[in-house]
Amino acid sequence: DTGVSQDPRHKITKRGQNVTFRCDPISEHNRLYWYRQTLGQGPEFLTYFQNEAQLEKSRLLSDRFSAERPKGSFSTLEIQRTEQGDSAMYLCASSLLARGELFFGEGSRLTVL
Amino acid sequence: SQQGEEDPQALSIQEGENATMNCSYKTSINNLQWYRQNSGRGLVHLILIRSNEREKHSGRLRVTLDTSKKSSSLLITASRAADTASYFCATDAGNNNDMRFGAGTRLTVKP
Repeated sequence: DTGVSQDPRHKITKRGQNVTFRCDPISEHNRLYWYRQTLGQGPEFLTYFQNEAQLEKSRLLSDRFSAERPKGSFSTLEIQRTEQGDSAMYLCASSLLARGELFFGEGSRLTVL
Repeated sequence: SQQGEEDPQALSIQEGENATMNCSYKTSINNLQWYRQNSGRGLVHLILIRSNEREKHSGRLRVTLDTSKKSSSLLITASRAADTASYFCATDAGNNNDMRFGAGTRLTVKP
């Protein structure tokens, strides 16, 4: 069990550029979640996959955000035309059971200049 | 939207003292979980308590759940400097399949 891994750990980009984050969940976990966290706040739910199906998406997620989980393994989160307000830590988590214990990666920190 | 709210927002204690953090939530739940986060790191699961349970222990951690008051508390006994972190409660808000987090309590344990 190598845990949940996220890449890159840090990304600095200029406003208007596109960025993509990757998450590799624990191999036997079929549930995968993306959260966003800003300084001093708790993780904010973005979206949830069960296998390759995206079952839930936050209303806060603008159409500039898209997430995929092809083949039900790793997932990518893409942000198009980044804005300064997108600066945050993007956290990925996986779980074996619905509403069960979440295993988090170390996060991908995005800074938009 | 965030489901739980932790109280206090920040807590500073001396090593050896007990730390108590509270969480209130708004809708019915299936379970409530507590997580810990060291600065700049991912969250680590501490304990899960189901809606039909009232108290649960894990090492120096004690969690209580009062569904009638929609509240939970996390007690850390005999705190250590290494317990310094942010602590979050998370609930599943009924039919949601995901966990929703509060803003957290930032605990500082002074040596």
